[in-house]
Amino acid sequence: GQQVMQIPQYQHVQEGEDFTTYCNSSTTLSNIQWYKQRPGGHPVFLIQLVKSGEVKKQKRLTFQFGEAKKNSSLHITATQTTDVGTYFCAGPFYNQGGKLIFGQGTELSVKP
Amino acid sequence: EAGVAQSPRYKIIEKRQSVAFWCNPISGHATLYWYQQILGQGPKLLIQFQNNGVVDDSQLPKDRFSAERLKGVDSTLKIQPAKLEDSAVYLCASSLKLTGGYEQYFGPGTRLTVT
Repeated sequence: GQQVMQIPQYQHVQEGEDFTTYCNSSTTLSNIQWYKQRPGGHPVFLIQLVKSGEVKKQKRLTFQFGEAKKNSSLHITATQTTDVGTYFCAGPFYNQGGKLIFGQGTELSVKP
Repeated sequence: EAGVAQSPRYKIIEKRQSVAFWCNPISGHATLYWYQQILGQGPKLLIQFQNNGVVDDSQLPKDRFSAERLKGVDSTLKIQPAKLEDSAVYLCASSLKLTGGYEQYFGPGTRLTVT
């Protein structure tokens, strides 16, 4: 079936280091959304990318959508302890009524 | 603006018992979702409503799970009888419209433990 895969599953960084998580879909996506879930919390929407090759920035976070609309990445520059959590990408598939398929997430821990 | 409300926040039951979860979405949101999130995994969609109609329930284990959204506002998800593998967080989310182009707002979730 259609899948969204994320790597790495876990990432441990020292505060101030950069972090990147990658998301790959088995099929083309109409758009991709990114969510953050803090430990013990619920997913919170971060951003949506729609266009092929699109790049969006939110302060230290940079999101990119691949040219083929099958992959995406999230890069955090100079991580802070407030960045701790699990980052999920999620995509609606064209032939599944737009329902979101979530990746398994990348858990980020930041050592101060 | 009030967020998505869910209750209870925690529930512990024995296997073969039944349990029900309640969700009240953000006012005006037509689409409501129930997800199951097992520890260490991403949310998995169980059922999706548009107003009071079911859009997708392909991953709902219908022999034991049921859900309704009778008046197109709040919703209940029921498990009867529960199995050990149902231990998870059950998340309710809502969005303004049906299509995948709208962000979803999640509630705090109900953590279910089946012993």
